[in-house]
Amino acid sequence: DGGITQSPKYLFRKEGQNVTLSCEQNLNHDAMYWYRQDPGQGLRLIYYSQIVNDFQKGDIAEGYSVSREKKESFPLTVTSAQKNPTAFYLCASTTLGGTGELFFGEGSRLTVL
Amino acid sequence: AQTVTQSQPEMSVQEAETVTLSCTYDTSENNYYLFWYKQPPSRQMILVIRQEAYKQQNATENRFSVNFQKAAKSFSLKISDSQLGDTAMYFCAFMKLFSGAGSYQLTFGKGTKLSVIP
Repeated sequence: DGGITQSPKYLFRKEGQNVTLSCEQNLNHDAMYWYRQDPGQGLRLIYYSQIVNDFQKGDIAEGYSVSREKKESFPLTVTSAQKNPTAFYLCASTTLGGTGELFFGEGSRLTVL
Repeated sequence: AQTVTQSQPEMSVQEAETVTLSCTYDTSENNYYLFWYKQPPSRQMILVIRQEAYKQQNATENRFSVNFQKAAKSFSLKISDSQLGDTAMYFCAFMKLFSGAGSYQLTFGKGTKLSVIP
């Protein structure tokens, strides 16, 4: 089945540690996205990539980093510089020039202890 | 930059009744898409309905329909014959098209929590 796989679903981290969230898609989509969801805030864009080896900052990129070495993979690293990392993280993808519909993974819940 | 505003943080509706969720947006673009996404308690985001800005006809998908007013920058979602499975967060979203900064990015509103009451 085609889709987007995020892992892990739940992650606990101590303060000062970096963690990496995985996002893999087998939909052959060009563009991939990372969103952060907090209660009452909707979804806010962290980073996005429209092509391999290229990515752009979204609205809240500080304290995060990404890479796009392969078309199907777009991992997100939450660094120790991110001041409030506890949140729900959603990965998405779409085909450029298509219907515009974003397909989402099931999300990763990060909790900083 | 685009902004999307959902003015109703929470709403409730009786099963089988009709409910309308409001959304307004601000943009200087002429070519864009608008979306309603649903996020049930499982937190899986699901596309409900989509509207191309160049189309005057309002989109419909079974029990879901929109009222798209381009001049007023308004994009409301009507759910008819509400079902218990419609209980979810609903997000309105905007996507700028074509090339240039910000294209093919989805900007979300803060969401409306809809509860369907038996």
